[in-house]
This record gives sequence, structure tokens and C-alpha cells, in this order.
Amino acid sequence: AQTVTQSQPEMSVQEAETVTLSCTYDTSESDYYLFWYKQPPSRQMILVIRQEAYKQQNATENRFSVNFQKAAKSFSLKISDSQLGDAAMYFCAYRSYLYNNNDMRFGAGTRLTVKP
Amino acid sequence: NAGVTQTPKFQVLKTGQSMTLQCAQDMNHNSMYWYRQDPGMGLRLIYYSASEGTTDKGEVPNGYNVSRLNKREFSLRLESAAPSQTSVYFCASSEVGWGSTDTQYFGPGTRLTVL
Repeated sequence: AQTVTQSQPEMSVQEAETVTLSCTYDTSESDYYLFWYKQPPSRQMILVIRQEAYKQQNATENRFSVNFQKAAKSFSLKISDSQLGDAAMYFCAYRSYLYNNNDMRFGAGTRLTVKP
Repeated sequence: NAGVTQTPKFQVLKTGQSMTLQCAQDMNHNSMYWYRQDPGMGLRLIYYSASEGTTDKGEVPNGYNVSRLNKREFSLRLESAAPSQTSVYFCASSEVGWGSTDTQYFGPGTRLTVL
């Protein structure tokens, strides 16, 4: 089964600066989706960014961008110009591209603190 | 457009009691999911339903049952609650299939405590 590893339980960043959250995964599949979800104290899971493995171009969404290294099975999230509202738990997730495989695997999460 | 809604938000049970967590989505998605989230761990899939009338086990199905009542609703039942089932439960939905974005949309969660 696929596994997702987030090696940084906690990270801290100064407001307006840049921070990178790490994620690695293990799979034998060639096609898949990768996601970053944000979970603020409200507990709601909010999609931050999504990457299809067959796309070479790294996904970007405003201040959020990813560094997708398929050969290294690495999927890091970069948050630029960090804001106080970015403080949350961040989860990396993997989903197979197979039509009949609905199993999404999550990492254990990284707690991001933003200092004013 | 409410997205994914869950009831209740909080629940306390005694060991051995039963209860049903309710989930509904108004995005016309085919697929729905139930996850649990425990401290220090990511979400783990309990059950999912790829389409109305079908359900399948996920990573941690023991002690749970599900019902896909219709396209909108997907319930999770604990027949005899155990302290190990103390957790936060999330329902999610997505559109799955060729050409879909396959993004899961989550409800606000239910915090369940079993004493």
C-alpha cells in the first residue's frame, strides 16, 4: 500500500517570509494525484493545491506552490509571504489514478505556526 | 450551497452504546467517504462509497458499518462503541472518473468521545 511521510511535525515561520513543508511518498504506480490540505483550528479540511503526476509543471495557487520531484517521490509545499491565517495543520495526501481505487492516503501532518 | 454537512458536531457515548453519524452533500458527487483522525496521525479511511448503492472497506473498517442512503447521504454507524473509537470523524465527497478533478471536499467533522 502507498504510504505518505511528513517528516516535520512542526514548523515555524515569520510573517511575510517563506516556508517549505516536506512530503515524501512511496508508490509503485506511475500515475496518481498528490494534494496538500490545510486544517485550521476549526478542523475543516481545506484543499490548498493539487498535482497530477503526469504533469511535469509544478502546480501553483497564488502564494502556494509545490516542488514535485517524481523520481525522488517528493512533493513539498512552499508558502510565500506567509500570513497569520496560514497557521494550521497541513496534510499531504496521495490518491491513485486508477478509476476503481478511491483510497486516499494522508501523512501525519505538519503544524505550521506563523509569528507576527 | 452548503457543501458537505455532518451531524452531530460533538457526541459523548458510553462503551457499548450505538450511534449513527450523518453526512450529506449537495454537490451531486458520486463518491463519498468516511475518515477518522487521531492525534499525531493523518486521516485514515474507514469506508467509502464509489456510487449510490455501493460501499467498500477502507483502511480501518472494523467496528463500523455504513449506509449509502441515496446519492446525497452517507451514514456511519457504530453498533457497540469502544474507547478506541474516540476520534474526530470526517465525511468527504468527490467526483471520481476520467476527466474529473478528483478533489475531495470535507465536512466540518464530528468529535466523538467514548467513555
